[in-house]
Amino acid sequence: DTTVKQNPRYKLARVGKPVNLICSQTMNHDTMYWYQKKPNQAPKLLLFYYDKILNREADTFEKFQSSRPNNSFCSLYIGSAGLEYSAMYLCASSRGPRPQYFGPGTRLLVL
Amino acid sequence: GEQVEQRPPHLSVREGDSAVITCTYTDPNSYYFFWYKQEPGASLQLLMKVFSSTEINEGQGFTVLLNKKDKQLSLNLTAAHPGDSAAYFCAVRDPNTGNYKYVFGAGTRLKVIA
Repeated sequence: DTTVKQNPRYKLARVGKPVNLICSQTMNHDTMYWYQKKPNQAPKLLLFYYDKILNREADTFEKFQSSRPNNSFCSLYIGSAGLEYSAMYLCASSRGPRPQYFGPGTRLLVL
Repeated sequence: GEQVEQRPPHLSVREGDSAVITCTYTDPNSYYFFWYKQEPGASLQLLMKVFSSTEINEGQGFTVLLNKKDKQLSLNLTAAHPGDSAAYFCAVRDPNTGNYKYVFGAGTRLKVIA
């Protein structure tokens, strides 16, 4: 089973409110990733967990948090959503250097 | 760092025709490439992975060519059918940042008309 699951599939949030997105995989992958994708743009890596170590991209360092309570789950947390956070959020996982497997995404709309 | 430009952003072809999508990358040290296919409402699905040691890679109904001299990766659907209608994304593993970072193209929305 190469399934990566994401919840919820759609999320409506108010400006200034927190947002928490969930991702899970049962492939025992050591690395889990979060990407942001806006229409007609490339998926942009936000952060990733290698095992228990969180790595955040420099240009999104302060905007997103994440936790990985166990190997299977990973969350993406936005403390105070702004209009610019409206996007599709893609979760992916991989085992070491092998290809990444993607979830279906969570579409976030901030109003 | 690595940058990837994908062309065209939209492509419409008739059933049975070929369709070519091209990605141009910037870092000559890049050596690991991917094509993903995304159908509406679905996940990005890995179509093919390409190592720089192999310039021609064949899949079911498509061929991937790697031109290292021009730093181009292309996906050629040889006889497109309506089931090929989807968004296609190329990705390049950034050689400067370890195994984790993929740099994606912005995607090509392919429509195959019956």
